[in-house]
Amino acid sequence: AQSVTQLDSHVSVSEGTPVLLRCNYSSSYSPSLFWYVQHPNKGLQLLLKYTSAATLVKGINGFEAEFKKSETSFHLTKPSAHMSDAAEYFCVVRLTGTASKLTFGTGTRLQVTL
Amino acid sequence: NAGVTQTPKFQVLKTGQSMTLQCAQDMNHEYMSWYRQDPGMGLRLIHYSVGAGITDQGEVPNGYNVSRSTTEDFPLRLLSAAPSQTSVYFCASSSSGVGSNQPQHFGDGTRLSIL
Repeated sequence: AQSVTQLDSHVSVSEGTPVLLRCNYSSSYSPSLFWYVQHPNKGLQLLLKYTSAATLVKGINGFEAEFKKSETSFHLTKPSAHMSDAAEYFCVVRLTGTASKLTFGTGTRLQVTL
Repeated sequence: NAGVTQTPKFQVLKTGQSMTLQCAQDMNHEYMSWYRQDPGMGLRLIHYSVGAGITDQGEVPNGYNVSRSTTEDFPLRLLSAAPSQTSVYFCASSSSGVGSNQPQHFGDGTRLSIL
């Protein structure tokens, strides 16, 4: 079985400060891991994905995530938050070969303050 | 590019009514899925399809039916609406391929309230 845990339901940062959104996973097989972002009243948009290549993955809008197998983690980071980053972020795991079966975390709502 | 289009965007139903949520994609994707999003629970898979004529159940299929007569369309039917089905519904599609790690493309959602 596979599962994903997002450790924080809400994170608040000041504009210009670093962002850290935490995600831990469990999977019996080599996982593919994704971060998606959801802005209000919108669908989910892919930020970045890990597919067993480089462990440090760079995504859109300055986000990146590092796959750490020993810690079963895939935390999302950004050096400097922008107001437009305020949204909900989902960590997602998919078993290799099952393109339609994703397991979603419960989401982290990122608030960015002035 | 239209991507994944869901209609309607909002709907209010009475308990016991039936309705169909529409989903269409113009990317020639073989894989399509329906999810529901509830507060504090992330997205849960309702049904999915790996190609025209092929569908399967996801995590929470009860009370919902799907069919896939064409590559483009994947409608979700509520047979007899219940208040527990109040949710935001998302349709997604992705390209095919064993071991594919192509991203899911999501529609903007249908916000459904059952009174």
